[in-house]
Amino acid sequence: NAGVTQTPKFRILKIGQSMTLQCAQDMNHNYMYWYRQDPGMGLKLIYYSVGAGITDKGEVPNGYNVSRSTTEDFPLRLELAAPSQTSVYFCASVPSTSGAYEQYFGPGTRLTVT
Amino acid sequence: GEDVEQSLFLSVREGDSSVINCTYTDSSSTYLYWYKQEPGAGLQLLTYIFSNMDMKQDQRLTVLLNKKDKHLSLRIADTQTGDSAIYFCASAPIQDDKIIFGKGTRLHILP
Repeated sequence: NAGVTQTPKFRILKIGQSMTLQCAQDMNHNYMYWYRQDPGMGLKLIYYSVGAGITDKGEVPNGYNVSRSTTEDFPLRLELAAPSQTSVYFCASVPSTSGAYEQYFGPGTRLTVT
Repeated sequence: GEDVEQSLFLSVREGDSSVINCTYTDSSSTYLYWYKQEPGAGLQLLTYIFSNMDMKQDQRLTVLLNKKDKHLSLRIADTQTGDSAIYFCASAPIQDDKIIFGKGTRLHILP
């Protein structure tokens, strides 16, 4: 298994540009999550999904959109990039059969908006 | 809302034990976790403890849970340079599909 993969690893955007951060997992996990990590601030949940076709907002959803058309993929869309969205973005997944919510994390996407 | 607090920085000499502390607010939390993040990488689950346990040991790692005080600690015995990382405490409230993370404790190893 490749686990949780994220692309791209790095990206620089200009203010107002749009992009999609890709996340995929090959472990047949139902639960998937998007976090952003700012220096010294820990992880903040952006959106999450408990299965294909179902998404919910997390703590900081403004400026982002998600979709979950398949179990494997959970892309995160930035429509109008702003400097406040400069961060490292992590995708994670959880096996739905796991009572312990063991999250498997991807390697992250470092995004800079200038 | 739910909150998880931990100190931001800990410095320990190589070979000594490291103790990283965490407090949480949600008494309904069923599982409590410790994750490790090395530079430039994602988070990796180190260990977790179920809320009806007081202690869990896994090789050099010992997790202690005090439910009354809502206090969780991670002890790393014989700290090595490879233990240098950020350690995140996290809790899973019973009524939620989400995990609440602390801000992370950066562990620095002194020679």
